[in-house]
Amino acid sequence: ELKVEQNPLFLSMQEGKNYTIYCNYSTTSDRLYWYRQDPGKSLESLFVLLSNGAVKQEGRLMASLDTKARLSTLHITAAVHDLSATYFCAVGGSGTYKYIFGTGTRLKVLA
Amino acid sequence: GAVVSQHPSRVICKSGTSVKIECRSLDFQATTMFWYRQFPKQSLMLMATSNEGSKATYEQGVEKDKFLINHASLTLSTLTVTSAHPEDSSFYICSALRLTSPSYNEQFFGPGTRLTVL
Repeated sequence: ELKVEQNPLFLSMQEGKNYTIYCNYSTTSDRLYWYRQDPGKSLESLFVLLSNGAVKQEGRLMASLDTKARLSTLHITAAVHDLSATYFCAVGGSGTYKYIFGTGTRLKVLA
Repeated sequence: GAVVSQHPSRVICKSGTSVKIECRSLDFQATTMFWYRQFPKQSLMLMATSNEGSKATYEQGVEKDKFLINHASLTLSTLTVTSAHPEDSSFYICSALRLTSPSYNEQFFGPGTRLTVL
């Protein structure tokens, strides 16, 4: 059974600082997704990672995928208050179109 | 783009009544849609996979008689919560599967429906 874990679960950081969110999964997959969720809202797609070594960047966020280690990271550079949200990773199941979501990381960026 | 809508966005109902939530893919056809449930401050939990023209596939622990899913067309799936109770209060999110490239499909998510059962 595919399990997806994120850490940390909660992250409070100062503006201007850097930090990394980790997403570990338990079985083989070559599809990993990162989403942002604001309170009361649905998911906003951030990144789609489809191969080992994939790296994507958008603004202050950069995501990477290591399929051998079954690990993805979401790196935040010089955080700003607008990045405060909950971030989820989701892993595509092998041989299925299902996604299994991670536990989520609630990020709060303090001014 | 790939746009998915849900209706209603919010619904409040009395205990014992049934509620229907619609999920539509607006600019693409989706033979497969998914229904998720999210409790406050928790992750998304997959409830079922909805397949056009066939029965839905439910995840373990999800009552198929309570959460009725119908996928009658390539752009519409409905979730009916039957005899709703307060513990069914949750945020329900659907997604629709679209072919993004010849060898790749991606789920596109709706805006969610907040159900409150009194």
